[in-house]
Amino acid sequence: GAGVSQSPRYKVAKRGQDVALRCDPISGHVSLFWYQQALGQGPEFLTYFQNEAQLDKSGLPSDRFFAERPEGSVSTLKIQRTQQEDSAVYLCASSFRWTGKGSNVLTFGAGSRLTVL
Amino acid sequence: GDSVTQMEGPVTLSEEAFLTINCTYTATGYPSLFWYVQYPGEGLQLLLKATKADDKGSNKGFEATYRKETTSFHLEKGSVQVSDSAVYFCALDATGANSKLTFGKGITLSVRP
Repeated sequence: GAGVSQSPRYKVAKRGQDVALRCDPISGHVSLFWYQQALGQGPEFLTYFQNEAQLDKSGLPSDRFFAERPEGSVSTLKIQRTQQEDSAVYLCASSFRWTGKGSNVLTFGAGSRLTVL
Repeated sequence: GDSVTQMEGPVTLSEEAFLTINCTYTATGYPSLFWYVQYPGEGLQLLLKATKADDKGSNKGFEATYRKETTSFHLEKGSVQVSDSAVYFCALDATGANSKLTFGKGITLSVRP
């Protein structure tokens, strides 16, 4: 597609529910990133993939967070047993280049806003 | 750890005013530095970047110079337009692998006609 597409754009969940957030990167983009942006804050790194390999998940805040990209294209961020502190905008970004191979321009999606009641 | 500090906002300016948004950083090694912009309802977009000391990034009339001696990357524009109203984020990549950006909190710029 023309850009990075994320769905749903808005999600309201009751505390304790599981949620799944989807990211469709730009076709052919090798690298895919997830960031979490709390209200009034800058985005914070969660995890990234090169193709289907999850190379860094050091930013995932707890074992309730899980990300996958099984075929190296679409990615899903899953949050189990949601808590109020999980309320944030979840941003996905993709890049054509392999990470570590010089200048790497990220294209961000518009984000999925999660509100946990 | 690595961090980015941006000046407190929001900032409101009249059209054609001069803009400076301060950004300082803490990082080991020699990070790459970025400014991202987020227009209302849209995703973050790269505005400009600099990868080494004394480099100047520029785009759409915006400029920022990588100052290693002051660990700063201040964003400037000589004459802002209403269409520049957005949230601006300073960011760094200290990994050298362009795999993990560290962002500042962002600052909201509003430009009045």
